Amino acid sequence: EADIYQTPRYLVIGTGKKITLECSQTMGHDKMYWYQQDPGMELHLIHYSYGVNSTEKGDLSSESTVSRIRTEHFPLTLESARPSHTSQYLCASSGSGPSNNEQFFGPGTRLTVL
Amino acid sequence: KNQVEQSPQSLIILEGKNCTLQCNYTVSPFSNLRWYKQDTGRGPVSLTIMTFSENTKSNGRYTATLDADTKQSSLHITASQLSDSASYICVVSDRGSTLGRLYFGRGTQLTVWP
Repeated sequence: EADIYQTPRYLVIGTGKKITLECSQTMGHDKMYWYQQDPGMELHLIHYSYGVNSTEKGDLSSESTVSRIRTEHFPLTLESARPSHTSQYLCASSGSGPSNNEQFFGPGTRLTVL
Repeated sequence: KNQVEQSPQSLIILEGKNCTLQCNYTVSPFSNLRWYKQDTGRGPVSLTIMTFSENTKSNGRYTATLDADTKQSSLHITASQLSDSASYICVVSDRGSTLGRLYFGRGTQLTVWP
């Protein structure tokens, strides 16, 4: 079982609310990722980080923002949630080096915006 | 364009039966291929990893094969159990980026009936 945690597991909120999805890992991994996954669809990378103070946008355009102030923590924030943001959000982390690209996933946050 | 295609999209089998899931990819340059198992409402968990030189890898009742020439992989599940009900995702990594970019298939949704 990977030591990567996400909270909350489920969140139902109204349109216009600001939310932060938490992700923490205790493996000391430098790289961390946020993915968005809709039912029956592939995972889409929305943000990633090489390390502290490093954040990049992924393949899928997202209105969310991320920060990486500490190695173990990679929160994702939506300033004003909309129904189109309803989805499952998965956080992952991986070690450094070409042979360490296995990504360990958290349990996910299921977000519903009404 | 780097892509990963999986078939079938969904599969129903009876407990104790065997099944084989397919994955075709166009990712280049190829680094490795992983099969992940994703239980409903959970994050994906790695089952097997294969590099270019490996053509078969087993993990208990799971056996993965890789044909790097035809860019095809399969995951064979032997003596299925109810707990095997999940989505099985084929994930291919390229070695053309420092990020170790992953390309995800949409998964095969396997249901095992008693």
